[in-house]
Amino acid sequence: AQKITQTQPGMFVQEKEAVTLDCTYDTSDPSYGLFWYKQPSSGEMIFLIYQGSYDQQNATEGRYSLNFQKARKSANLVISASQLGDSAMYFCAMREGGGNFNKFYFGSGTKLNVKP
Amino acid sequence: GAVVSQHPSWVICKSGTSVKIECRSLDFQATTMFWYRQFPKQSLMLMATSNEGSKATYEQGVEKDKFLINHASLTLSTLTVTSAHPEDSSFYICSARDRRVSSNQPQHFGDGTRLSIL
Repeated sequence: AQKITQTQPGMFVQEKEAVTLDCTYDTSDPSYGLFWYKQPSSGEMIFLIYQGSYDQQNATEGRYSLNFQKARKSANLVISASQLGDSAMYFCAMREGGGNFNKFYFGSGTKLNVKP
Repeated sequence: GAVVSQHPSWVICKSGTSVKIECRSLDFQATTMFWYRQFPKQSLMLMATSNEGSKATYEQGVEKDKFLINHASLTLSTLTVTSAHPEDSSFYICSARDRRVSSNQPQHFGDGTRLSIL
């Protein structure tokens, strides 16, 4: 089974509107971490936001927030007030287990296009 | 913030050539680094976990004799693609985590290397 599933290969959003990128995960480990990365066309991976499995509140970082629904095993990324520079690939990733050096599992990504 | 430098950013070479890619953590020590391969419009595929002072751990299906990994110091890991062929053309990207920080910290990625084998 896939550890991380992103069901939206591509998304369009109007500039200044909010958009939600979906991510579901699969693990039986009670300790895990969920991460979102942005990859522009230039290729670098930019860390956006983190949610720990024991965190009680949803993570927020500026215009990024994570809608964490533990029972549903979902960790959707919400981008508010979209900007043209938000156009990129977005990857959801999971670190399974609590170890500092456990490997990450990445989803297939969602390509976001922000329209002016 | 933590910075990972990857070099070179772009390589074009002839078939049969061996290519070395370097991944350096510039302002932190990383006992573990990760090497990924990414095909166009696809996700990152973990190739191997590079451990300082010991052998790398390769993912299933990755040829260890083809993709040689050396992690000789706490700030440097290298990936050598031996006798590269056109099918090895891809985007290779490394990541590292500061060994001192807690597990809620992300992996920090290099900017990647685009490898084209003619």
